[in-house]
Amino acid sequence: AQRVTQPEKLLSVFKGAPVELKCNYSYSGSPELFWYVQYSRQRLQLLLRHISRESIKGFTADLNKGETSFHLKKPFAQEEDSAMYYCALSGRDAGGTSYGKLTFGQGTILTVHP
Amino acid sequence: GAVVSQHPSWVICKSGTSVKIECRSLDFQATTMFWYRQFPKQSLMLMATSNEGSKATYEQGVEKDKFLINHASLTLSTLTVTSAHPEDSSFYICSAASLGTQYFGPGTRLLVL
Repeated sequence: AQRVTQPEKLLSVFKGAPVELKCNYSYSGSPELFWYVQYSRQRLQLLLRHISRESIKGFTADLNKGETSFHLKKPFAQEEDSAMYYCALSGRDAGGTSYGKLTFGQGTILTVHP
Repeated sequence: GAVVSQHPSWVICKSGTSVKIECRSLDFQATTMFWYRQFPKQSLMLMATSNEGSKATYEQGVEKDKFLINHASLTLSTLTVTSAHPEDSSFYICSAASLGTQYFGPGTRLLVL
């Protein structure tokens, strides 16, 4: 079974402060981890995926297999970062191909105050 | 690129009627689409995986006769909620997979009276 846990339902920071959204996962195989973001009244959209190792909108996330974590970080939060953030996991087969279907965490609402 | 649309965006129906929701990938082909359900202030729950040209794979606890899925082409999957009841009221979201990434539709809000 696969599980994704986002321990913080709400997270508030001030503009310019660092922010870290926590994500822990449970999966017996080789996981693929994602962060999705949902801005107010908009659809869910991909923020980043661990295999890309890229930084989007200043956000980064590193997969820590030892701690089974994929925390999302940004050194200086902006007001426009206020949104709902979902961590998600997809399993992969022995050949490394993603199964495709995602298991989502409960989401964290980030509010960045001016 | 990679835009997914859903129609309708919202629907209100009487108990006992059936409702069809369409999910389209507008600028890419998707052999696999997914249907999710989201309750207020809760996360997305995967209902089923829709594969073009074959039967959908349903998650445990999801009634396949209640939620009929058809994926007749590489750009269209439909979810039909049969004999809808008030407890089926929810936000239904589809996604289409392309190159290992899922792209989400805007969702359909269903209210069953």
